[in-house]
Amino acid sequence: GENVEQHPSTLSVQEGDSAVIKCTYSDSASNYFPWYKQELGKGPQLIIDIRSNVGEKKDQRIAVTLNKTAKHFSLHITETQPEDSAVYFCAASNAGGTSYGKLTFGQGTILTVHP
Amino acid sequence: DAGVTQSPTHLIKTRGQQVTLRCSPKSGHDTVSWYQQALGQGPQFIFQYYEEEERQRGNFPDRFSGHQFPNYSSELNVNALLLGDSALYLCANKWGTQYFGPGTRLLVL
Repeated sequence: GENVEQHPSTLSVQEGDSAVIKCTYSDSASNYFPWYKQELGKGPQLIIDIRSNVGEKKDQRIAVTLNKTAKHFSLHITETQPEDSAVYFCAASNAGGTSYGKLTFGQGTILTVHP
Repeated sequence: DAGVTQSPTHLIKTRGQQVTLRCSPKSGHDTVSWYQQALGQGPQFIFQYYEEEERQRGNFPDRFSGHQFPNYSSELNVNALLLGDSALYLCANKWGTQYFGPGTRLLVL
């Protein structure tokens, strides 16, 4: 089955700096890669996603890049703000296959943005 | 707002007991997936329901079972609770782009 590795496990940055979180996946059939933000006591919130037919996607301060050959994808947050502090999870799935979109998650990254 | 509601928000049980958790997906969304999130870990897929049938199952024992109703709402049942079942239980609607509810925090003593 799919295996997703996420690094780093913790990330501390100063407000205004950039933050990068990296994930690798094992199943070449995976074609959908969402990123979730989880705040304390809440469920994961989808912040951005990318499909395997594109290499990069941006949404304001957030961007995701995908390298299918290396089976690697990354989340980039620019101009970080204290409210970006949370746990971030990457995930992978084969959205169109017999796994019916089952998500396999990474272990999470605790991001702390210091004012 | 994902539009997914879950109940109860918190629950305390003792070992050996049984528990039922409930999920209502956003109106019109016919697929419900359940995940278990242990403290400090990423969510793990339990199973998915579509048209009132279990369509796919993760690596969870038969103590974990579910049901989907005609209105697409769903229940997760766990029998013979173990201490290790303590976790946040999440449900998500749709397949493909999945949106999560707030979860039910289960503590087994």
